[in-house]
Amino acid sequence: GAVVSQHPSWVICKSGTSVKIECRSLDFQATTMFWYRQFPKQSLMLMATSNEGSKATYEQGVEKDKFLINHASLTLSTLTVTSAHPEDSSFYICSAMKNVDEKLFFGSGTQLSVL
Amino acid sequence: EDQVTQSPEALRLQEGESSSLNCSYTVSGLRGLFWYRQDPGKGPEFLFTLYSAGEEKEKERLKATLTKKESFLHITAPKPEDSATYLCAVHRGSNYKLTFGKGTLLTVNP
Repeated sequence: GAVVSQHPSWVICKSGTSVKIECRSLDFQATTMFWYRQFPKQSLMLMATSNEGSKATYEQGVEKDKFLINHASLTLSTLTVTSAHPEDSSFYICSAMKNVDEKLFFGSGTQLSVL
Repeated sequence: EDQVTQSPEALRLQEGESSSLNCSYTVSGLRGLFWYRQDPGKGPEFLFTLYSAGEEKEKERLKATLTKKESFLHITAPKPEDSATYLCAVHRGSNYKLTFGKGTLLTVNP
């Protein structure tokens, strides 16, 4: 299987600060990456679709100015939570699509806690 | 709107006690149904993709089946290490946006 690396695994930050999460596809190129958020005992909710070299597409209700996504290369996408608040505390997961066999592989997730 | 409903929400089994997890879906133009395993604090781990009704796939103690309305994940003679949350997801169209169910938390007691 393919490997998607995500870090940090967990981060604690103060309210009002910004946090960057990285997602890398280690052994394949991914033109498309996805960012999800998961609250305890809830389903994964898609936040945005990230395409290499173009602007991300955000799902309804997701603030694009708050959750900045950059997909600068075929192996790296970043999610920056700007001016984080306690309600942004959640488990953030990225996934990358391996084009050859059209399978989605997920990173290990980032637990964000905003104090 | 695509909908995915998984049942039961939680399932406790004794080691060796076979059972099935259900994933009911409502989606027009299904392109694929995915099963993932998720351990606490981890991202989902890919298990299977099913594309058409009647399709079956197996991996070790797991077998996934698909009909036009639902999918089953059968687990045969489970072991404690099979304990995890099992997620079902569907997608349609060409953009690979997945709609996930809430998952079934499986606990296998030794």
